[in-house]
Amino acid sequence: NAGVTQTPKFQVLKTGQSMTLQCAQDMNHEYMSWYRQDPGMGLRLIHYSVGAGITDQGEVPNGYNVSRSTTEDFPLRLLSAAPSQTSVYFCASSGGGGGTEAFFGQGTRLTVV
Amino acid sequence: DQQVKQNSPSLSVQEGRISILNCDYTNSMFDYFLWYKKYPAEGPTFLISISSIKDKNEDGRFTVFLNKSAKHLSLHIVPSQPGDSAVYFCAASVFQGAQKLVFGQGTRLTINP
Repeated sequence: NAGVTQTPKFQVLKTGQSMTLQCAQDMNHEYMSWYRQDPGMGLRLIHYSVGAGITDQGEVPNGYNVSRSTTEDFPLRLLSAAPSQTSVYFCASSGGGGGTEAFFGQGTRLTVV
Repeated sequence: DQQVKQNSPSLSVQEGRISILNCDYTNSMFDYFLWYKKYPAEGPTFLISISSIKDKNEDGRFTVFLNKSAKHLSLHIVPSQPGDSAVYFCAASVFQGAQKLVFGQGTRLTINP
């Protein structure tokens, strides 16, 4: 039972490069989301999706794009990496809203130099 | 504007005693509150949640209390065990067609033998 799988686990980028963080879930969940965790700030919502073909912005969306062509996959694209995007990124999926448990991936530690 | 705050960055408790983690919020529209536990190099894992219409929810050693008038919630762990040593995040959500979690900064709990 894989749950939520994120790849890669670690990545170093140069300023201005682009890349895609992959996220896949095998629980047939409608809701998927991306968070970033920075020291002393908890996790902040970047983008989220309520189903295939439907995405919306969260609290800190600038510099990131998402798309959701299937229920299983929700990739996060960094268009032109900046040092301010150095962070740990978590993908999550949930079968419902409110107090429903959200399942998180193991995270991607991204460093932009 | 930090809508969810955990004012204690760290807490140290003796094994077998009670651990109490606190969380304050400002947005009275939150309808669910959740606690997540995080080990290093892993994603957060769900512990327990509470609806805003309740004042207590219990699951084994974990109990969450909600005081809506004070906009305060707490997580009680009794008895504390060494495996409970982790970072604990308080999160809140307003269900608007999707689960969008707002996290506190986290509290690092250390259980001493």
